[in-house]
Amino acid sequence: GENVEQHPSTLSVQEGDSAVIKCTYSDSASNYFPWYKQELGKGPQLIIDIRSNVGEKKDQRIAVTLNKTAKHFSLHITETQPEDSAVYFCAARVYSTLTFGKGTMLLVSP
Amino acid sequence: DAGVTQSPTHLIKTRGQQVTLRCSPKSGHDTVSWYQQALGQGPQFIFQYYEEEERQRGNFPDRFSGHQFPNYSSELNVNALLLGDSALYLCASSLVLRGARTDTQYFGPGTRLTVL
Repeated sequence: GENVEQHPSTLSVQEGDSAVIKCTYSDSASNYFPWYKQELGKGPQLIIDIRSNVGEKKDQRIAVTLNKTAKHFSLHITETQPEDSAVYFCAARVYSTLTFGKGTMLLVSP
Repeated sequence: DAGVTQSPTHLIKTRGQQVTLRCSPKSGHDTVSWYQQALGQGPQFIFQYYEEEERQRGNFPDRFSGHQFPNYSSELNVNALLLGDSALYLCASSLVLRGARTDTQYFGPGTRLTVL
């Protein structure tokens, strides 16, 4: 089955800095890659996604890049704010099921 | 527009007991997926229901079963509870559009199950 590796497990940045989280996947049949943000006590919230026919997608301060050849994709957050602090999960979809990474705890200090 | 709702929010059971968790999908959605999220881990896919049938299943034992009702809501049942079943159980809904399953899954807040 699909296997998704996510790094780093913890990331601490100063407010205003950029943050990058990286994921790799194993199944070349994966064709959809969402990113979720999970705050304490809440369910995961979709923040951005990318499909395999696209190399990059941007939404305000958030961007995602995909390298199908290398089977890796990354989340980029610019001008980080304290409210960006949360756990971020990448996922890869094969058929109709999502396989998640283990998560990255992002801490943004004021 | 109501999002995905789950009940109850918290539940405490003892080993060997049975539990039923409930999920109502986002308005207009017809597909429900269930995930188990252990502490400090990413969600793990349990199974997916569409048109009242289990369509996909992850690597979970038969103790985990489910049901989908005509109004698209769903239940997750776990029998013979083990300590290791303690986790956050998440429900996600999505939509089949013109015969094709759409990509986006929206998650509910989850049910925190503690097995003592």
